[in-house]
Amino acid sequence: DADVTQTPRNRITKTGKRIMLECSQTKGHDRMYWYRQDPGLGLRLIYYSFDVKDINKGEISDGYSVSRQAQAKFSLSLESAIPNQTALYFCATSDGTGPTEAFFGQGTRLTVV
Amino acid sequence: AQSVTQLDSQVPVFEEAPVELRCNYSSSVSVYLFWYVQYPNQGLQLLLKYLSGSTLVESINGFEAEFNKSQTSFHLRKPSVHISDTAEYFCAVRSSGTYKYIFGTGTRLKVLA
Repeated sequence: DADVTQTPRNRITKTGKRIMLECSQTKGHDRMYWYRQDPGLGLRLIYYSFDVKDINKGEISDGYSVSRQAQAKFSLSLESAIPNQTALYFCATSDGTGPTEAFFGQGTRLTVV
Repeated sequence: AQSVTQLDSQVPVFEEAPVELRCNYSSSVSVYLFWYVQYPNQGLQLLLKYLSGSTLVESINGFEAEFNKSQTSFHLRKPSVHISDTAEYFCAVRSSGTYKYIFGTGTRLKVLA
């Protein structure tokens, strides 16, 4: 089983709909992140969380919200989806005890029509 | 503020030829540096990382990168590429004392037969 699991893997939704992307991890990490990937723009940070009580905005948080339900779960919501939120979304985790890399899920491909 | 620049969006190279993918970063403090690889329809996998110590780091599949503090660079090199190296490569930086991973815009490596 994957250490960082994202659901769903693919989703098509209509403009104006609310949608939630979920992420769970078994690595025991306290840091969790949501990124979106767009062609030519790389990965941009949407939100990050250091623990259940600590949520921080990234560089492109407008139109998104997050919830850290437990140390292992971090969900991303689009309250009212719009077409320019069509992208590949990645959840990542990292260990806060030292200088380590981030570990990524397999991604969720979201299409807003 | 941290930033990462990958100047080459696409790099075509013939099989068995050498390749260099360039990465420059900006940070006012000491940094940790990473190269990730993304194969088609997959998530990001760590290729190699610089945390401290030797400035030359190597991966298990023949890639290497050298941390150059004076030039604020962390270029990725491979002396002889294979078709299977075709992928998108992302450089990332994390400044010490922070837990935000900042990514470049990516370089698509296309290995030609």
